Amino acid sequence: DAGVIQSPRHEVTEMGQEVTLRCKPISGHNSLFWYRQTMMRGLELLIYFNNNVPIDDSGMPEDRFSAKMPNASFSTLKIQPSEPRDSAVYFCASSFGTPNTEAFFGQGTRLTVV
Amino acid sequence: DAKTTQPPSMDCAEGRAANLPCNHSTISGNEYVYWYRQIHSQGPQYIIHGLKNNETNEMASLIITEDRKSSTLILPHATLRDTAVYYCIVRPFGVFGNEKLTFGTGTRLTIIP
Repeated sequence: DAGVIQSPRHEVTEMGQEVTLRCKPISGHNSLFWYRQTMMRGLELLIYFNNNVPIDDSGMPEDRFSAKMPNASFSTLKIQPSEPRDSAVYFCASSFGTPNTEAFFGQGTRLTVV
Repeated sequence: DAKTTQPPSMDCAEGRAANLPCNHSTISGNEYVYWYRQIHSQGPQYIIHGLKNNETNEMASLIITEDRKSSTLILPHATLRDTAVYYCIVRPFGVFGNEKLTFGTGTRLTIIP
C-alpha cells in the first residue's frame, strides 16, 4: 500500500482565495483525521471522521474551514477565504478498526497564504 | 484526556540506548500510553503502545511503571536517523468517539555522532 496520500504537497495562495487540500486514506481504514501543525501551536486535531461521518469537529478554527468525506477513499479540507494565519502544514491520517491502534500519517501539505 | 509531561530536549550518543521519560500521573485505568515520533518535515510515525505491561517491538521498548504514572521509551541502539521529536500520548482504548490522538510538545531527541 502507498500509505496515506495527500495533495498537493505544497500550496502557495493569495489571501482571500479558496484552498482545497486532499487526502486519500489507506484502503480499508475507517477513521480519518485532519491535523494542522504550526510552530506556535504544535500539532492540533481539526476534525476526524469514522466511517465517513464527522465525529469531532471541535478543532475546526472557524466557519472558513470545512471538511468532507464523500466516500471511504477520499476526503477534502477546504479553507474559504484563506488568510495568512492559515499558513501551516496540514496532515491527514487514517486508522483501522475499533479499538483503533496506530494511525498512519501522510506527508502533509505545506500551505502558505500570502 | 490525561496529560503528559516530557522533557523538551535530550541528547544521546550514537550507538547508545536512548531513554525518553514521560510522566502521566493522572492516567485512567482505560487509557493506554502511545508513542509517536516526527522526523523533520515528515508526518508523525507510530512507535509503540502499552497498557501496563512492558512492550517491545522492532523499533523500541516501552517500560511502564507499576502504578502507571510514568513510562520510558527505550531506543536500544540509537542511530542518527532516530533524531526526531518524540511524543508520549495517553488515549482511551477502544472507546468509540475517542480515537483521536492529542499531541503535546514532545521531546526533541538529538543523536550525537
